[in-house]
Amino acid sequence: DAGVTQSPTHLIKTRGQQVTLRCSPKSGHDTVSWYQQALGQGPQFIFQYYEEEERQRGNFPDRFSGHQFPNYSSELNVNALLLGDSALYLCASSLAPGQGSYNSPLHFGNGTRLTVT
Amino acid sequence: GQQVMQIPQYQHVQEGEDFTTYCNSSTTLSNIQWYKQRPGGHPVFLIQLVKSGEVKKQKRLTFQFGEAKKNSSLHITATQTTDVGTYFCAGRNDYKLSFGAGTTVTVRA
Repeated sequence: DAGVTQSPTHLIKTRGQQVTLRCSPKSGHDTVSWYQQALGQGPQFIFQYYEEEERQRGNFPDRFSGHQFPNYSSELNVNALLLGDSALYLCASSLAPGQGSYNSPLHFGNGTRLTVT
Repeated sequence: GQQVMQIPQYQHVQEGEDFTTYCNSSTTLSNIQWYKQRPGGHPVFLIQLVKSGEVKKQKRLTFQFGEAKKNSSLHITATQTTDVGTYFCAGRNDYKLSFGAGTTVTVRA
């Protein structure tokens, strides 16, 4: 049973370029969340996708966009890259939150290390 | 918006000693989750607390959810070198899980 897979593992881009990161969720999961983790910081929520739609968004500019496909896989796109976008980008999959207080835990991939020069 | 804060940011522990890390939220949480990230790795789910005052144990780790559901703690007894890593608490706000900055634990043998 494959867990969450992300590609590529590392990426080097220059300022102003665009990047696409990819994520395949754990088998059986239908929800994908993207996080940005700067060095020494906690993961910061970018957005969450469910049923191919962005369900909630964190405090990130419109340069950050995403997509979810019918097979639940997802992409994160970042346009007009800035030096400050250098970080580890984590994808996490889960089951859709229910109505109760219990949440399906997040299962994280190994991340994509993005370096912007 | 919701903020989740953790203290201390760093914890240097002598092997065999106990320590506690604390998590505080600016808003009442429906639940709180704890994750551990080893150096160079990704966050791995440890536990979820849902009920007010709930206490859960995993071997040497004890997790507690505050009565007001705005704070939580993780207590580790008899620290081992395998406990090295960063421990994050995360609180739910609508659909998103907001992570604290983490407590990074190092162990002196």
